[in-house]
Amino acid sequence: ELKVEQNPLFLSMQEGKNYTIYCNYSTTSDRLYWYRQDPGKSLESLFVLLSNGAVKQEGRLMASLDTKARLSTLHITAAVHDLSATYFCAVDGDGAGSYQLTFGKGTKLSVIP
Amino acid sequence: KAGVTQTPRYLIKTRGQQVTLSCSPISGHRSVSWYQQTPGQGLQFLFEYFSETQRNKGNFPGRFSGRQFSNSRSEMNVSTLELGDSALYLCASSLALGALGYTFGSGTRLTVV
Repeated sequence: ELKVEQNPLFLSMQEGKNYTIYCNYSTTSDRLYWYRQDPGKSLESLFVLLSNGAVKQEGRLMASLDTKARLSTLHITAAVHDLSATYFCAVDGDGAGSYQLTFGKGTKLSVIP
Repeated sequence: KAGVTQTPRYLIKTRGQQVTLSCSPISGHRSVSWYQQTPGQGLQFLFEYFSETQRNKGNFPGRFSGRQFSNSRSEMNVSTLELGDSALYLCASSLALGALGYTFGSGTRLTVV
């Protein structure tokens, strides 16, 4: 069974600080997604990572992928209040032709002024 | 271009009733998948449709069913509603089965009383 584990599940940080969210997955698939969800809203796609060593950055968020360790990280630089949301990582593809997304439980980020 | 459209946005139903939710994918997208989001279980895959055929199904009881029409629009149906079916139901569209990238709709919030 494919598993995706995120940690931490809750993160409270001050504005201006840096932090990293970790995502471990158990499948051989190397299609890793990061999504953001605001309360009561849908999922907004942030990054898609495909290859080992892939790094993508958008504003204060940077995501990376280590396929050998089956680990992705989402790094937050100099957090601002607007980044408060729940962040999900997800993997699709189990190496056997199935492409459903399997999500981690999410990291609820609260950025405190 | 128009995004993924889900209707209705909110629903309140009584235990034992049935409900139908609708999803119109992005124009040109032929694959539609459905996810259930609850506080306890997180985001879980329900099923995926491509070319009017269910291609993949998650671990949900037979009360959950769906279909896809020739214009790629999809519906999901839940019969004999239970309190535990209360959730946010999200639809995602992608270009094709196994295609990279998913766009999520705003979701349907179902409350069963």
